[in-house]
Amino acid sequence: KQEVTQIPAALSVPEGENLVLNCSFTDSAIYNLQWFRQDPGKGLTSLLLIQSSQREQTSGRLNASLDKSSGRSTLYIAASQPGDSATYLCAVISGSARQLTFGSGTQLTVLP
Amino acid sequence: GAVVSQHPSRVICKSGTSVKIECRSLDFQATTMFWYRQFPKQSLMLMATSNEGSKATYEQGVEKDKFLINHASLTLSTLTVTSAHPEDSSFYICSANRALYMVHGYTFGSGTRLTVV
Repeated sequence: KQEVTQIPAALSVPEGENLVLNCSFTDSAIYNLQWFRQDPGKGLTSLLLIQSSQREQTSGRLNASLDKSSGRSTLYIAASQPGDSATYLCAVISGSARQLTFGSGTQLTVLP
Repeated sequence: GAVVSQHPSRVICKSGTSVKIECRSLDFQATTMFWYRQFPKQSLMLMATSNEGSKATYEQGVEKDKFLINHASLTLSTLTVTSAHPEDSSFYICSANRALYMVHGYTFGSGTRLTVV
């Protein structure tokens, strides 16, 4: 059974800092990995999708890497802003049903 | 593209009544939709997989008679919480699978906050 872990559970940083969020998964046989953002009481917004054959994806200030063999992914946020405050969720697509398995999330607070 | 609309966003109901939540794919056909439940400060837990034209597949521990899922068309799936009780209060969110999900990933609705009083 696929399990996804995210570290840290919470993170508070001053505005302008670069930061790294970590995600690990137990079964390396994944199809792809997706990073989401969730604001309080809201749905999920997709940030980046990394296919299993890729090693990284970039979108603006966000960069996500994938090391499938070691079961790890990182989300790098450059020059953080207060508007980046949210919960960041990592999810992997695996299994015959192509299901998403979520980590427990990292709650990020960027202080002005 | 790939927009999923979920309604209602919030609902308050009395204990013992039923509540229906709709999930629509607005600009694509979704043969498969997924329903998740999220408790405060926790991640999303898959409840069931909804397949167009066939019975839904429920995850272990999810009561199929309590959480009725209907996927009657390629753009609409509904989740009905029957005989709701306070312990059913939670955030419910759906996701749709489009044909190119392996390239574009999964798209989620905005969620429904259910409060049973």
